[in-house]
Amino acid sequence: GAVVSQHPSRVICKSGTSVKIECRSLDFQATTMFWYRQFPKQSLMLMATSNEGSKATYEQGVEKDKFLINHASLTLSTLTVTSAHPEDSSFYICSARDRRAQGYTFGSGTRLTVV
Amino acid sequence: GQQLNQSPQSMFIQEGEDVSMNCTSSSIFNTWLWYKQDPGEGPVLLIALYKAGELTSNGRLTAQFGITRKDSFLNISASIPSDVGIYFCAGYSNRDDKIIFGKGTRLHILP
Repeated sequence: GAVVSQHPSRVICKSGTSVKIECRSLDFQATTMFWYRQFPKQSLMLMATSNEGSKATYEQGVEKDKFLINHASLTLSTLTVTSAHPEDSSFYICSARDRRAQGYTFGSGTRLTVV
Repeated sequence: GQQLNQSPQSMFIQEGEDVSMNCTSSSIFNTWLWYKQDPGEGPVLLIALYKAGELTSNGRLTAQFGITRKDSFLNISASIPSDVGIYFCAGYSNRDDKIIFGKGTRLHILP
């Protein structure tokens, strides 16, 4: 089945630094990648949607200059949290849409802790 | 924007019992999805529903896409310890081209 590899699984960074999270579709072409954020004991909240080769579309309230999304190829999308602050600490999860089957596969998530 | 109301928020059951949870929406979805999430992991798809009225099973799990396209339920029969986790319903809209998640149902199985 379709697999999405998300890396790193955990990261701790200092306040003010930037962190990059990668999502790769291993055995399919992902026309669209979705990025979610999940705070403890809460649901997944969509942050942005990115189509390969296009600028990402951000949900209301999500700062596009803070959460930089790049979807340069059909198998790789990255989310960069710039100038991270403790309130950015969260679980970030990507999801890739399979061009063939229109299915959605989620990565295993990245636990970001900003200290 | 679209919202999903998922209930119950949590359940405490005995092993072997059947479980039922549901989601309702104020607007129509084209696809209903049910996911399970274990701690520290991403959601894993359990069942996908594509047509109104569709009833689909996956082992001990059964889910249905409501006729009105505004609701869905998930049933788990004869629960076992590994069923413990958080279950999320999610709806996909062609118009908005995105998946919206419910708030989740936490399933606990009493020893």
